[in-house]
Amino acid sequence: DVKVTQSSRYLVKRTGEKVFLECVQDMDHENMFWYRQDPGLGLRLIYFSYDVKMKEKGDIPEGYSVSREKKERFSLILESASTNQTSMYLCASSNRPDGGGGYTFGSGTRLTVV
Amino acid sequence: QKEVEQNSGPLSVPEGAIASLNCTYSDRGSQSFFWYRQYSGKSPELIMSIYSNGDKEDGRFTAQLNKASQYVSLLIRDSQPSDSATYLCAVGDYGQNFVFGPGTRLSVLP
Repeated sequence: DVKVTQSSRYLVKRTGEKVFLECVQDMDHENMFWYRQDPGLGLRLIYFSYDVKMKEKGDIPEGYSVSREKKERFSLILESASTNQTSMYLCASSNRPDGGGGYTFGSGTRLTVV
Repeated sequence: QKEVEQNSGPLSVPEGAIASLNCTYSDRGSQSFFWYRQYSGKSPELIMSIYSNGDKEDGRFTAQLNKASQYVSLLIRDSQPSDSATYLCAVGDYGQNFVFGPGTRLSVLP
């Protein structure tokens, strides 16, 4: 069974902290994505990666960075956490070059910044 | 800016009825269309994909696509309380990125 695993289900961090959210997939997928999901705003793309060491900005990259040193791992970094980054963060991966297979999502990390 | 719109709901239907969920999109170049189901507190799971005009059936689910009208829908026949969830519409081109709608909350009443 294919899996996308996010390291933490719940996190509470303080304003100004550097926060790392980890995502690992075991499907040998090239493509990985980070979204955040907020009530009324839906899923918004933060960053994505089509290959190792490659990254592209999504719709809302400000305040975030990413790292992809290995194919199976895609990390989201909040450089200096702020309260408006309190959200549900979802990692996803896909393999079809035409996007036809849709995404497989991880179980999500609910981050609270206090 | 590509947009995908859905009625937020909640859409309430009695058990056994047909639930009809609708989605419109702004980009005429869109080629791939997906429906995801998301239970409260869980991550989205893919339930249907459709690429060509017309209907696609999978069990109790039917996806309908009309590219001329920029409209995609999901029908759920014989709705069950376990179908109560938020349904997300996602629209993409031949790239890997999709635009998600805000979701429609469905409530199936026993």
